[in-house]
Amino acid sequence: DIQMTQSPPSLSASVGDRVTITCRASQDISTFLAWYQQKPGKAPNLLIYAASTLQSGVPSRFSGSGSGTDFTLTISGLQPEDFATYYCHKYNRAPWAFGQGTKVEIK
Amino acid sequence: EVQLVQSGAEVKKPGATVKISCTFSGSSFTDYYIHWVHQAPGKGLEWMGRVDPEDGETVFAENFQDRVSLTADASIDTAYMELSSLRSEDTATYYCATDFRYGDYGLDYWGQGTLVIVSS
Repeated sequence: DIQMTQSPPSLSASVGDRVTITCRASQDISTFLAWYQQKPGKAPNLLIYAASTLQSGVPSRFSGSGSGTDFTLTISGLQPEDFATYYCHKYNRAPWAFGQGTKVEIK
Repeated sequence: EVQLVQSGAEVKKPGATVKISCTFSGSSFTDYYIHWVHQAPGKGLEWMGRVDPEDGETVFAENFQDRVSLTADASIDTAYMELSSLRSEDTATYYCATDFRYGDYGLDYWGQGTLVIVSS
């Protein structure tokens, strides 16, 4: 099975910072990669699919890149509402799998 | 817009079975696969499996294939997740989520989650 390794597990940042989260697949998954944001007590929310396509309604400060095995989520200009946990997710074929998550905290 | 509404929290004893529902609205139920995701308290997301409401076909993660049953009733636009032989480690929030059959968009809509507590 394909494993998803996300890093870092957590990070501290300030409002306005540029934040980068990486996700590595153990095998080539082309661009079948999504990113989700989850706030405490809430369901995850889809931010990006197909590695780089912004879901409708998601602010343009979020962007995704990569293909194959290496992927990146970037938040350009962190806002107070962006403090949350972020997950990558591969969906090329079963079994689908999530990364371990990255918690973005206020510095 | 698609909405998923899940059944309420459950408290079960070890060894019991729990069945959670996920009611779909806002589009055609059979245009979507329904996935289930497990999240233990304070932990990450874990994919459990998927059901096709059109024909009932299922795919499971290895960790759950022995104790999980996924079904869907297209006549009432509702999917179900049944987990048997419950143990304390099954205490978690369980989410249903949709995956559009005709595109590769990931899990685009999510239910609100159902908390299951397993305790004697």
